[in-house]
Amino acid sequence: DQQVKQNSPSLSVQEGRISILNCDYTNSMFDYFLWYKKYPAEGPTFLISISSIKDKNEDGRFTVFLNKSAKHLSLHIVPSQPGDSAVYFCAAYAGGTSYGKLTFGQGTILTVHP
Amino acid sequence: EPEVTQTPSHQVTQMGQEVILRCVPISNHLYFYWYRQILGQKVEFLVSFYNNEISEKSEIFDDQFSVERPDGSNFTLKIRSTKLEDSAMYFCASSDPSRIQETQYFGPGTRLLVL
Repeated sequence: DQQVKQNSPSLSVQEGRISILNCDYTNSMFDYFLWYKKYPAEGPTFLISISSIKDKNEDGRFTVFLNKSAKHLSLHIVPSQPGDSAVYFCAAYAGGTSYGKLTFGQGTILTVHP
Repeated sequence: EPEVTQTPSHQVTQMGQEVILRCVPISNHLYFYWYRQILGQKVEFLVSFYNNEISEKSEIFDDQFSVERPDGSNFTLKIRSTKLEDSAMYFCASSDPSRIQETQYFGPGTRLLVL
């Protein structure tokens, strides 16, 4: 099941710089997208979401951009902090055809160096 | 801040044994979910549950799996006869469908090891 793909297994950035995490999807029925952050031995923690009727959503240091024509979304973290080091998962949901099933990407390991 | 809790945090069992994983969703949430993550793989949807019945289930959720909300606060996942391939991290999640954004909030997980 490759409906949601995060093609970069890892990303390394310097503290204070921008982190950009990318996610692609293939299912055009997806209409709601979420980003989760996960530390080892913990559950995914919700970060930010975006509905398909928007192309941008911002919450503090986190901004998610959605390009529906390209079936692509990205998470920007500015400025990056060492505490942001974690695995980031993109997830998608098709509200019209299923209730509740989130489809996850493989995750991207973000390392922010001091 | 309200959170989803799960017990136990770790469970070791023998193949063929039954296990019950427990979750306490966020109190005003109405939809409940189970996901699992096999080591090194994606987080996978198992089942969603609303109004005391299954709303949707994946192909993974076969007859060996069942879910129950035995009272007003707990939500359980039972695996009747565990297999080696059931070894994974199991996450419970809940959401409040009265919000326009139906964000699912996850618990810390139960690590299940089947020997």
